[in-house]
Order: sequence, then structure tokens, then C-alpha cells
Amino acid sequence: QVQLQESGPGLVRPSQTLSLTCTVSGGSISSGGYYWNWIRQRPGKGLEWIGYIYDIGSTYYNPSLKSRVTVSMDTSKNQFSLKLRSGTAADTAVYFCAGGARRAYLFDFWGPGTLVTVSS
Amino acid sequence: DMQMTQSPSSLPASVGDRVTITCRASQIINNYLNWYQQKPGKAPKLLIFSTSNLQSGVPSRFSGSGSGTEFTLTISSLQPEDFATYYCQQSYITPGTFGQGTKLEI
Repeated sequence: QVQLQESGPGLVRPSQTLSLTCTVSGGSISSGGYYWNWIRQRPGKGLEWIGYIYDIGSTYYNPSLKSRVTVSMDTSKNQFSLKLRSGTAADTAVYFCAGGARRAYLFDFWGPGTLVTVSS
Repeated sequence: DMQMTQSPSSLPASVGDRVTITCRASQIINNYLNWYQQKPGKAPKLLIFSTSNLQSGVPSRFSGSGSGTEFTLTISSLQPEDFATYYCQQSYITPGTFGQGTKLEI
């Protein structure tokens, strides 16, 4: 059974880059056929898909965040990562990594989430 | 942009009740409608995908139906562990929009 775990700084200064990593266990990220996603949940708000990396490198992003987001993969570490540039208080959220094999935007399994606060 | 609207936003209920949550999409989504359950401090959990398909391990008291733009999640007999927030989500087009959530509470 594939398991995911997010990691990264819990505090980011405004205008800095938010960087998170998702470590995949119980399966190989390079085996192909999976969508590896980042999703966030802002305080008191709903869930927002940020972007995914598919197979060995195709990426797709939420148009509302596209100019600031990069999702990448490190197959040697069995990890995928999120970078969100020019952070503001509006980026304060719990960030989840999630995966799925059947279809884009279908999230079969999730990491537990990590809270990132953007504040000076 | 695709909008997903759930009703109600909160739903008082009791153990043993049959409850229904409705989700409306702003355009046709070809049955690519999924339901998730989220408990406080936890990640969402996939319950139902493509309108009516139960995810492996999910109890059969959960069911989904609908078509076009209107979909429902039904819990046939509420159990104590079912008190949570439920989200619908479309996987038809970018950006895989979620509804705003329905909180099932005692």
C-alpha cells in the first residue's frame, strides 16, 4: 500500500518561496501511470488543487497558481516536490500531497498534510 | 470556471439516520463526480468515485447517485464514526474543483 508523507518548513516569510517534499513509500514513483498531486486547504476554506506531475515528468497546474508553481520529481529519492514562489499570507494553508492512478484529479491516497504559515 | 455547490452546509443528524447530501455542478461533468470524507486534523479520504463506485474498504452504507449536473451522497444508517465533513469533487476538467463541504454533526 502506497503511503505519502509531506515535509518542509512550517514557516515561510512573505515574498519567499514555499518548498515542500512528499516522500512516497510502498511503491516506486518511477513505475509510471500515477498522478502525483499537491492540494491545499486554507484556514476555514475548502480544498484547492495546486498541480500534478504525471509519469516521469509531465506537469499540469491550476491556472490560478500557474505563474508561481513548480512541481518536480526526484526518482532517486522516491519523492516529489512543490515550490510556490512569492508567498503571501493567502498561501497559509495545510498542504497535502496525494496520488492516484485511474484518472487525473482523482485522489486515491493522501499524505497526512503539513501546515505552512506565511508570516513575518 | 467550474463551480461545485453542496447543500446543506451543515446537517444535524443522529446515529441510525439516513442522510443525503447534494452536490450541483455548474456544467455537465459526465459523471466524473467523487466524494471524500474528512475528519478534523486528518486528510480527506476517497469514498466514492465516478458518481457511484465505492472505493475499496468503504462500508456499503455509503452510496452515490446522480447524473448531468446533480449528484447525491447517501449514508443509509449513520454510525458514530461517520460524523465528519464531506466534500464532492469533479474530476472532469481542470482544476478538479471541490465543493465547499457539508459538515455532518450530532
